[in-house]
Amino acid sequence: NAGVTQTPKFRILKIGQSMTLQCAQDMNHNYMYWYRQDPGMGLKLIYYSVGAGITDKGEVPNGYNVSRSTTEDFPLRLELAAPSQTSVYFCASSYRRETGNEQFFGPGTRLTVL
Amino acid sequence: DQQVKQNSPSLSVQEGRISILNCDYTNSMFDYFLWYKKYPAEGPTFLISISSIKDKNEDGRFTVFLNKSAKHLSLHIVPSQPGDSAVYFCAANPGNTPLVFGKGTRLSVIA
Repeated sequence: NAGVTQTPKFRILKIGQSMTLQCAQDMNHNYMYWYRQDPGMGLKLIYYSVGAGITDKGEVPNGYNVSRSTTEDFPLRLELAAPSQTSVYFCASSYRRETGNEQFFGPGTRLTVL
Repeated sequence: DQQVKQNSPSLSVQEGRISILNCDYTNSMFDYFLWYKKYPAEGPTFLISISSIKDKNEDGRFTVFLNKSAKHLSLHIVPSQPGDSAVYFCAANPGNTPLVFGKGTRLSVIA
């Protein structure tokens, strides 16, 4: 299994540009998540999904959109990129189980908006 | 309002000694607590978890202790090794919503 994969690994955007961060998992997990991590800060939840066709906002959803058309894929769309969106973005997935919703993370996408 | 707090941003420990990472929480409804480890340029990886009905869980060199009355948990690493140098995140499971993460503690194990 590849686990959780994310593309691209790095990206530089100009203010106002748009892009889609790709995330895929091959573990047949129902739950998928997008986080951002700013320097010296913890993980902030942007959006999550509990299954195909279902998405919910997290703590910091403004400026982002998501879709979940399949179990495997959970892309994150940035419209009108702003410098405040410079961050490292992590995608994660999980299944419900008794040990408490353990999440598997991708390697991250480092995004810089100039 | 931070529900999960890691008040120490960093910790330095000598190789072979014990590392103790602390975490406090405010929501008594959390049913599981988890620790994640993160190396630079990688995603976090799951380390160990504990159910709210237990007070201790052990896995090799890693032990997590839970004190429900104090709303406090700690991760003990014994003996500490240079490869343990990483950022450690405490997380709590509120049930049907996603995990709540602390801000992390950077552990440096000095040889």
